[in-house]
Amino acid sequence: EVQLVESGGGLVQPGGSLRLSCAASGFTLSDYYMDWVRQAPGKGLEWVGRIRKKAQSYTTEYAASVKGRFTISRDDSKNSLYLQMNSLKTEDTALYYCARTRLAAAATGWENWFDPWGQGTLVTVSS
Amino acid sequence: DVQMTQSPSSLSASVSDRVTITCRASQSISSYLNWYQQKPGKAPKLLIYAASSLQSGVPSRFSGSGSGTDFTLTISSLQPEDFVTYYCQQSYSIPLTFGGGTKVEIK
Repeated sequence: EVQLVESGGGLVQPGGSLRLSCAASGFTLSDYYMDWVRQAPGKGLEWVGRIRKKAQSYTTEYAASVKGRFTISRDDSKNSLYLQMNSLKTEDTALYYCARTRLAAAATGWENWFDPWGQGTLVTVSS
Repeated sequence: DVQMTQSPSSLSASVSDRVTITCRASQSISSYLNWYQQKPGKAPKLLIYAASSLQSGVPSRFSGSGSGTDFTLTISSLQPEDFVTYYCQQSYSIPLTFGGGTKVEIK
């Protein structure tokens, strides 16, 4: 069974740091791009960032709201994805999901979508 | 950034009703549009990818259509488990963006 399990969430003060992990099982992590998506309490979904695979030099992309503060990394040998969050703000309070990215060639590029998602880990930034 | 506008933000319907949710992109995104379903307290689940492709295991009462800037998710006959929230998402360009969500409620 393909599964993603996040961990590492918790309560942190503004300005603090936290590292989230996402453990993958049932598939070979190294074959896939991976993304982080967050959801503030009672709100909609917000994409956080992406890490590509080795063939694309593990390049990363970030939402403007987290760029320069968050870093996505991966350890394919451990089937794990990470999100290092620094300089946390109250507005970073959210449920953080990791998601596997599926790709399919299209006429004008690559279709991509998230499947599956993990169950999420809650990050609360508060003093 | 591509802005995704989903409408309505909520709707009331009855079991067996046919419902349509609309998603509009601020620029053409070809068919780079996905739909997710989220049940309370659960992670989102993929329903439709590439605008109209039904994800394996998803009931055939769900369908997607559209291209360019206008897309629709249709549920042909609402079932009790379908009264949850739906999100569209564009995958045309980074930053990836989601619609604001549509909550389907029981009338």
